[in-house]
Amino acid sequence: GENVEQHPSTLSVQEGDSAVIKCTYSDSASNYFPWYKQELGKRPQLIIDIRSNVGEKKDQRIAVTLNKTAKHFSLHITETQPEDSAVYFCAASRGFGNEKLTFGTGTRLTIIP
Amino acid sequence: DGGITQSPKYLFRKEGQNVTLSCEQNLNHDAMYWYRQDPGQGLRLIYYSQIVNDFQKGDIAEGYSVSREKKESFPLTVTSAQKNPTAFYLCASRAGVSRSNQPQHFGDGTRLSIL
Repeated sequence: GENVEQHPSTLSVQEGDSAVIKCTYSDSASNYFPWYKQELGKRPQLIIDIRSNVGEKKDQRIAVTLNKTAKHFSLHITETQPEDSAVYFCAASRGFGNEKLTFGTGTRLTIIP
Repeated sequence: DGGITQSPKYLFRKEGQNVTLSCEQNLNHDAMYWYRQDPGQGLRLIYYSQIVNDFQKGDIAEGYSVSREKKESFPLTVTSAQKNPTAFYLCASRAGVSRSNQPQHFGDGTRLSIL
């Protein structure tokens, strides 16, 4: 089955700096890669996703890049703000009727004011 | 998401007791999922259902059971066979079996503890 590894497990950055979280996956048939943000005690919320037919996607301060050859994808947050502090999870699935998501173990991001 | 309701928010189980966690959605989503989240870990899939009256085991199904008699409901029973049930349980749903690569949306979760 699919295996998703996520690094780092914790990340602290100064407010205004950029943060990068990386994930690797094992199943070359995976073609859908969402990122979720989870604040303490709350539900995970989708912040951005990417499909295998594109290499990069941006939404304001958030971007995701995908390298299918190397089987890794990354989340980039620029101009970080205190409200970006949360746990971030990457995930992967094959799609096309096999819609199980396999999640990484999460990255706790702390923004230092 | 307001369209996925989990209840109760907190639940306590006694030794040898079965408990049922409720998940209801009014989004007309075909697929529903149950995940378990332990501290410092990611989400692990317990069971999922892509259509009414059908469901499949996820990665950690032992000690759990589900039913999918209605499109909007996917209850999870934590049985006495689950020896370490203390965790945060999340239900999710996704639109359209025929629409690939649609995101999953989550409920607010149920926190289960052992008395």
